[in-house]
Amino acid sequence: NAGVTQTPKFRVLKTGQSMTLLCAQDMNHEYMYWYRQDPGMGLRLIHYSVGEGTTAKGEVPDGYNVSRLKKQNFLLGLESAAPSQTSVYFCASSPWGSDTEAFFGQGTRLTVV
Amino acid sequence: EDQVTQSPEALRLQEGESSSLNCSYTVSGLRGLFWYRQDPGKGPEFLFTLYSAGEEKEKERLKATLTKKESFLHITAPKPEDSATYLCAVHPTDTGFQKLVFGTGTRLLVSP
Repeated sequence: NAGVTQTPKFRVLKTGQSMTLLCAQDMNHEYMYWYRQDPGMGLRLIHYSVGEGTTAKGEVPDGYNVSRLKKQNFLLGLESAAPSQTSVYFCASSPWGSDTEAFFGQGTRLTVV
Repeated sequence: EDQVTQSPEALRLQEGESSSLNCSYTVSGLRGLFWYRQDPGKGPEFLFTLYSAGEEKEKERLKATLTKKESFLHITAPKPEDSATYLCAVHPTDTGFQKLVFGTGTRLLVSP
């Protein structure tokens, strides 16, 4: 049982480049989330989805876009990367939303130079 | 503003030395409080959810408790494999979307 899988695990981007982070879950969960984790700060919600075809903004959505074309996949895009987007990104899924446990991926460490 | 504060930031214990981690929260209303464990280089792993003051949950050497203003994660006779960062998060009632407010965590190191 793979759970939540994120690709890639590491990436270095130059300022202004674009990239897409892929999250895949095999638990048939409705809810999916993208968080970022920075030193000295708690995990912060970027975007989330409550089901296939839906997306919504979280706490820190600026500079990111997302898509959920298939229930099992949740993509996070950076159109024009900035050094402030250097962070560790975590995808998570849950069956019933934020009132229940979330299952997290292993994370993607992104460095923007 | 919803806020979660965890203390201490770091804790070093000897194997078998019991202690407690604290999570203080300020929210207008609480839908749930969560504890997660995070190992270096990995994503958080769910431990407990607590929904109301007075509630307690246990798992192996860990016991989580909840009051109206804080939660404790008690670690009894810890082992080196309990070394990790422990994260607390709250789900406030006053948010219009699926938002958890996370603390910055307590880094626990258990020495043999």
